[in-house]
Amino acid sequence: AQKVTQAQTEISVVEKEDVTLDCVYETRDTTYYLFWYKQPPSGELVFLIRRNSFDEQNEISGRYSWNFQKSTSSFNFTITASQVVDSAVYFCALSEPNTGNQFYFGTGTSLTVIP
Amino acid sequence: DGGITQSPKYLFRKEGQNVTLSCEQNLNHDAMYWYRQDPGQGLRLIYYSQIVNDFQKGDIAEGYSVSREKKESFPLTVTSAQKNPTAFYLCASSTSWTKETQYFGPGTRLLVL
Repeated sequence: AQKVTQAQTEISVVEKEDVTLDCVYETRDTTYYLFWYKQPPSGELVFLIRRNSFDEQNEISGRYSWNFQKSTSSFNFTITASQVVDSAVYFCALSEPNTGNQFYFGTGTSLTVIP
Repeated sequence: DGGITQSPKYLFRKEGQNVTLSCEQNLNHDAMYWYRQDPGQGLRLIYYSQIVNDFQKGDIAEGYSVSREKKESFPLTVTSAQKNPTAFYLCASSTSWTKETQYFGPGTRLLVL
């Protein structure tokens, strides 16, 4: 069974629009970590954020914000006022410390921001 | 400048040939990982190493081999037993094996001639 689901395969938005990337996860552990990574066309995965399961506070970093809701097992990522440089594939990942540090990645959402 | 380097950026393999992908880190991280990425898919774990001289199979280890003789190096060999090696290979490292963020290198794209 897929532990991390990113149902949106591809999204296109016009520059300056807001966009939300969805991430739904599945785990039986009470302690776990959630991550978002950005993969630009160059290929390298760039770390964006890490949240632990005990911290449900939403986080904002510039134009990026994350909404963590344990009740719906979701960890969604919003980009406000999107820019062309935001065009990339975004991956959500889950790690469960009880099984070491193996990451479970979603299949990614490809975001295209049209100028 | 700390980071993870992978070489080469592109690698071509002939039928029946073994090739080795390099991964080096100067972050003083104990744990290192190899992932494979196919188009439209997420990352799948090939091998990981928690500490020097130790490594474990991941989800898709068949046809691959690794070594961890030095803390900063974790080379991956794609053997002739791997029948479908064309993919993007990413190396990562983390401070330790548990609970730590993984940081990734720039990747190596392997193509079969």
